[in-house]
Amino acid sequence: AQKVTQAQTEISVVEKEDVTLDCVYETRDTTYYLFWYKQPPSGELVFLIRRNSFDEQNEISGRYSWNFQKSTSSFNFTITASQVVDSAVYFCALKFSEGGSEKLVFGKGTKLTVNP
Amino acid sequence: GAGVSQSPRYKVAKRGQDVALRCDPISGHVSLFWYQQALGQGPEFLTYFQNEAQLDKSGLPSDRFFAERPEGSVSTLKIQRTQQEDSAVYLCASRPFQGPSYEQYFGPGTRLTVT
Repeated sequence: AQKVTQAQTEISVVEKEDVTLDCVYETRDTTYYLFWYKQPPSGELVFLIRRNSFDEQNEISGRYSWNFQKSTSSFNFTITASQVVDSAVYFCALKFSEGGSEKLVFGKGTKLTVNP
Repeated sequence: GAGVSQSPRYKVAKRGQDVALRCDPISGHVSLFWYQQALGQGPEFLTYFQNEAQLDKSGLPSDRFFAERPEGSVSTLKIQRTQQEDSAVYLCASRPFQGPSYEQYFGPGTRLTVT
């Protein structure tokens, strides 16, 4: 099965706390791509990061960091020193290669609320 | 530059009516995708175009759903004889190149409510 699981439905933190959003994926493919998107209340999905299955190097971008571990099929996302503007629904997504498919398979999302 | 735009942003239809949802992708983007997002869920794939060719329509839930992109730019998603279960946000995305690694850029969506 090609599947993405985001077990955390909702997370609430106080501003400046660090928060980690979990993502676990399933795929039969050896070549695949993982993505994180942010969906603020306005509704538009905003691309955050892309990772391919051959690159397990973790990445940091400002307050955002991503931990990709093939051994546990996880691609977790950490926000350091969270801010109110980080409040949104965050989606992890998988793009696999079987059959030449181009679609993204999304998890159900984690709603993050950062309180002042 | 301009992002992906969708119209209308909100649509209310009575059960049984036909609706047409429009997507204007980013200029020059080759690939175009439609997704359906039910309340509290992640987006689910409906269909994919590369230029004017519809290469994957495996996600269309029934033959009441039809999508086209006749000139390889603007796309229309049509839903015939709408049902209450069609109520959702319909998202359009475009991608600049063919190839698996490029990210999709999403529009704001059309919220369809069927009463």
